Amino acid sequence: NAGVTQTPKFRVLKTGQSMTLLCAQDMNHEYMYWYRQDPGMGLRLIHYSVGEGTTAKGEVPDGYNVSRLKKQNFLLGLESAAPSQTSVYFCASSSTTTSGGQETQYFGPGTRLLVL
Amino acid sequence: GQNIDQPTEMTATEGAIVQINCTYQTSGFNGLFWYQQHAGEAPTFLSYNVLDGLEEKGRFSSFLSRSKGYSYLLLKELQMKDSASYLCAVWDSNYQLIWGAGTKLIIKP
Repeated sequence: NAGVTQTPKFRVLKTGQSMTLLCAQDMNHEYMYWYRQDPGMGLRLIHYSVGEGTTAKGEVPDGYNVSRLKKQNFLLGLESAAPSQTSVYFCASSSTTTSGGQETQYFGPGTRLLVL
Repeated sequence: GQNIDQPTEMTATEGAIVQINCTYQTSGFNGLFWYQQHAGEAPTFLSYNVLDGLEEKGRFSSFLSRSKGYSYLLLKELQMKDSASYLCAVWDSNYQLIWGAGTKLIIKP
């Protein structure tokens, strides 16, 4: 099992450019998440998904869009990148318990994004 | 608001014991996690506490007091490879994970 993978690993964008970050998991997990991590701050949830075809906003969703067309993939889009979106982006996934709750989250290796 | 506090940085000596504290104020509580994150890498799961008391897993132990909104991670027989950031996170009443900023642990020989 590869677990959670992310592409690309590193990207440099100019202000106003767009890009899509791809997250894939092979653990058949229902839940998937996109976080950003900035120095001196905790992980902040951007968007998440509780199943194929469903997405929801997290703590800091502005400037980002997501899609979950397939259970194993969760895409994060930046339509018009801004320097404030310079960050490390982590994808995570988790399974569900028999009572419908969530299990431990497992993280991908991260994507380092620099917006100039 | 929801808040998780942990020290920014700690230093310890190889072979020693270190305790990393975490206090939280959240809307509801469904469990507390500790993750380890080496520089430039992804967070990896260490422990999960939902009931009061101590959970031991090898050299690492995690303690929880729900009435005090307090947890600690205890690392024994420190090794150089334990140099990393340790992240505390709490599941709130909606099963949203609220993350602390992390404690950077520096191990000196």
